[in-house]
Amino acid sequence: AQSVAQPEDQVNVAEGNPLTVKCTYSVSGNPYLFWYVQYPNRGLQFLLKYITGDNLVKGSYGFEAEFNKSQTSFHLKKPSALVSDSALYFCAVRDNSGYSTLTFGKGTMLLVSP
Amino acid sequence: GAVVSQHPSWVICKSGTSVKIECRSLDFQATTMFWYRQFPKQSLMLMATSNEGSKATYEQGVEKDKFLINHASLTLSTLTVTSAHPEDSSFYICSATPSRTENQPQHFGDGTRLSIL
Repeated sequence: AQSVAQPEDQVNVAEGNPLTVKCTYSVSGNPYLFWYVQYPNRGLQFLLKYITGDNLVKGSYGFEAEFNKSQTSFHLKKPSALVSDSALYFCAVRDNSGYSTLTFGKGTMLLVSP
Repeated sequence: GAVVSQHPSWVICKSGTSVKIECRSLDFQATTMFWYRQFPKQSLMLMATSNEGSKATYEQGVEKDKFLINHASLTLSTLTVTSAHPEDSSFYICSATPSRTENQPQHFGDGTRLSIL
C-alpha cells in the first residue's frame, strides 16, 4: 500500500522568507510524486511533479521540490514567500504501474504573514 | 489546457432529494475520472474511479447504490447522490487525466459544496 505523510498541520512564515512544506512517502516501486494547492472552496491546482530525472523539480508560482530517494521525501520549497501563497497544500503519490490511483497526504496549511 | 469543469458549484436541498453533479473535461478526453469527498480541514478521500463505458470502481466503504456514477462519454462523468441526507453534506471534487497518458497529473474541478437540510 502507498502512503503519504505531511507531518505539519500548519506552517507559518513571514513574507519574503523562504518556506518549506514537508512530505514523505511510501510506495512500491518507483514513485510518481505531485504537489497540489487548494484555495478555500476550490478544487486542487497542480503545482509540480516528479516522475524521473533531476531531483530538483521546478513548478508553478516559483515553487520547487526536491526528490530525495534515500529519505523518501519530496519537500516543497519557495525561496521567498508571498502572502498570496497562503493556502492548503497537498502532497500526493502513486506508483508507476499503469494507472494506479493517487494517495494524498492530509494537507498542510501555509500561512504567510505580511 | 487540461481544464476540468464541475457543476454545480453549490447545492442546498432538502433531505431525501437526489442531487446530480457533473464533471466535464473541456479540452481533452478522459477515459478515467475520479470522484473525491473532502470533509472540512481534511484530505481528499477517493470515493470511486469512473471508467468510460463501464461500471465505476468504488472504494471500500462507499455505497454504490447511494453514490451513482455514470461515465457515458470521454468528456463527462456524473455523480448522483441519491436520497441525500444531512450526513451526505460535504465538498465533492472530481478529477481527470488525459487518456493514454501515464504520468500526467490529475486535473481537478473546482468542487461542489453540497448542503442537505
